[in-house]
Amino acid sequence: DTGVSQDPRHKITKRGQNVTFRCDPISEHNRLYWYRQTLGQGPEFLTYFQNEAQLEKSRLLSDRFSAERPKGSFSTLEIQRTEQGDSAMYLCASSLGRSDNEQFFGPGTRLTVL
Amino acid sequence: AQSVAQPEDQVNVAEGNPLTVKCTYSVSGNPYLFWYVQYPNRGLQFLLKYITGDNLVKGSYGFEAEFNKSQTSFHLKKPSALVSDSALYFCAVRFLSGSARQLTFGSGTQLTVLP
Repeated sequence: DTGVSQDPRHKITKRGQNVTFRCDPISEHNRLYWYRQTLGQGPEFLTYFQNEAQLEKSRLLSDRFSAERPKGSFSTLEIQRTEQGDSAMYLCASSLGRSDNEQFFGPGTRLTVL
Repeated sequence: AQSVAQPEDQVNVAEGNPLTVKCTYSVSGNPYLFWYVQYPNRGLQFLLKYITGDNLVKGSYGFEAEFNKSQTSFHLKKPSALVSDSALYFCAVRFLSGSARQLTFGSGTQLTVLP
């Protein structure tokens, strides 16, 4: 399968714990995006990488959230000191080159904070 | 403020009938417009996009969408619905402002095609 992959698919954690998610984009895609989707809502943008550079961050991305894409390939999203309000589906997407190209989405990581 | 609206949370249509899922946007300038579909426990799948050119764009699975600049709308259509089209549909817009690269999504419309 050459699509976007995410790991894990599901994560259950206790409030206050740290969690880390991984995203592997389509191999030749230089742009990578993280979104968060809560029940009944559309995805909301969190952050964007072009190669290894993090170029944009949403105001939704509090200081407890950090994302990296160290070699311009896979990316990780870490949430420190999780809160119940962090429970959501975290989606990763990638795209190639031009701004009018569509983004391809992974299956998401569903986080439940107890 | 820039925004995307899907005014209908739910659309029901009988199999074989035409379907329309509505999307409107509020922005200055010319945005890029996209439709995605989400099936249960699966990621969003790209259906079609409007960048420039013909106002009617055709996409995957027989779907098409009409861009109407005066009404700032980008409604998704299909001439004959299938039960397998039942899913959650999202309209998304990329606004061409500054360095913005992200998509802004509507809240989604649940389409149910009744056999």
